[in-house]
Amino acid sequence: DSGVTQTPKHLITATGQRVTLRCSPRSGDLSVYWYQQSLDQGLQFLIQYYNGEERAKGNILERFSAQQFPDLHSELNLSSLELGDSALYFCASSAFDRDGEQYFGPGTRLTVT
Amino acid sequence: GEDVEQSLFLSVREGDSSVINCTYTDSSSTYLYWYKQEPGAGLQLLTYIFSNMDMKQDQRLTVLLNKKDKHLSLRIADTQTGDSAIYFCAESKNTGGFKTIFGAGTRLFVKA
Repeated sequence: DSGVTQTPKHLITATGQRVTLRCSPRSGDLSVYWYQQSLDQGLQFLIQYYNGEERAKGNILERFSAQQFPDLHSELNLSSLELGDSALYFCASSAFDRDGEQYFGPGTRLTVT
Repeated sequence: GEDVEQSLFLSVREGDSSVINCTYTDSSSTYLYWYKQEPGAGLQLLTYIFSNMDMKQDQRLTVLLNKKDKHLSLRIADTQTGDSAIYFCAESKNTGGFKTIFGAGTRLFVKA
């Protein structure tokens, strides 16, 4: 158990809908990262937040957005969903001075039908 | 550009050593990592190495970094069936934040 929690574990929704994925980092970790894992694209870095502020951006679509709240939990919002958004979405966290050590949550499996 | 490449499959016998290789393109990478992903689970950080190091050993794991050739390897000594998993190589650099690029993963199959 990495100490990172993600909810929900599974999500099934229809095209065009909007969903919110939630992540709670390890206790004390200030950085949160979001990743997407799919069969065709592999593991892709989406975005990083540090103590509430966006810190780095990867291959995140404009239809997707994220935020980190004062209690350090983070949410990833996916809107206008398409079939190709079906994937595993992972959250990871790291401590203030240990960005090289990321601890991953169990993931949320999103299925868009 | 940024790219991380690794072979997709490796099969070894239990008790043998496994060597998983990775090449990367970004010479300014700060950290290089190895993660393990078991079926249905998230990624588990196995070990990482700073780009100014050549080698790091941690119990059965040895990481070798050849910065000139941009080549990273993970050696697992005395490989066990429980080591069967997908192993991801990744690189990242500090650009104010950390942007991490993962390889496609090497599926390690350990035969009893």
